[in-house]
Amino acid sequence: DTGVSQNPRHKITKRGQNVTFRCDPISEHNRLYWYRQTLGQGPEFLTYFQNEAQLEKSRLLSDRFSAERPKGSFSTLEIQRTEQGDSAMYLCASSRGHSEVPDTQYFGPGTRLTVL
Amino acid sequence: QKEVEQDPGPLSVPEGAIVSLNCTYSNSAFQYFMWYRQYSRKGPELLMYTYSSGNKEDGRFTAQVDKSSKYISLFIRDSQPSDSATYLCAMTYNYGQNFVFGPGTRLSVLP
Repeated sequence: DTGVSQNPRHKITKRGQNVTFRCDPISEHNRLYWYRQTLGQGPEFLTYFQNEAQLEKSRLLSDRFSAERPKGSFSTLEIQRTEQGDSAMYLCASSRGHSEVPDTQYFGPGTRLTVL
Repeated sequence: QKEVEQDPGPLSVPEGAIVSLNCTYSNSAFQYFMWYRQYSRKGPELLMYTYSSGNKEDGRFTAQVDKSSKYISLFIRDSQPSDSATYLCAMTYNYGQNFVFGPGTRLSVLP
């Protein structure tokens, strides 16, 4: 169990550029979640996957945000045409997805995005 | 009104103190309640969870849930400087669903 990893850890970009973040979940975890966390706030849910199926995406902040998990393993979160308001920590979490209570989510260290 | 509210903090206590951290929520459908600890520039890590109302104890930590009042608490006994972190409450309707987090309370335990 090597934990959830995220890359890059930091990303600085200029307004209008596209950025992509990667999340590698704990192996054999079926569920993968993306959250956004701004300074002084708790994580805000964005989307989640059960294996390769994206089961909830209505919370994605705008159509500039998209996520994929093509083979049910790692996932990517893309933000197109970045805006300064997108500056935040983007957190990934994974869970077993089995019928255990609760389905504990394990978080990665996050990717900190700064949009200039 | 936010779905989950949390004592704003920051909170500073001397080493050895008993710490009380609290959250209130508005949606009575929440069934599972979690407390996460987040160190600076790290992802949250799960401390405790409880289902429905009641108490749960784990070492120096005790979690309480009062669903009738829509109020949850985390107590830390014999607080240590290593407990200095932001504490986030989180809750969900059903296993596997997304969590709704509170804004967090920043705790500093002074040696």
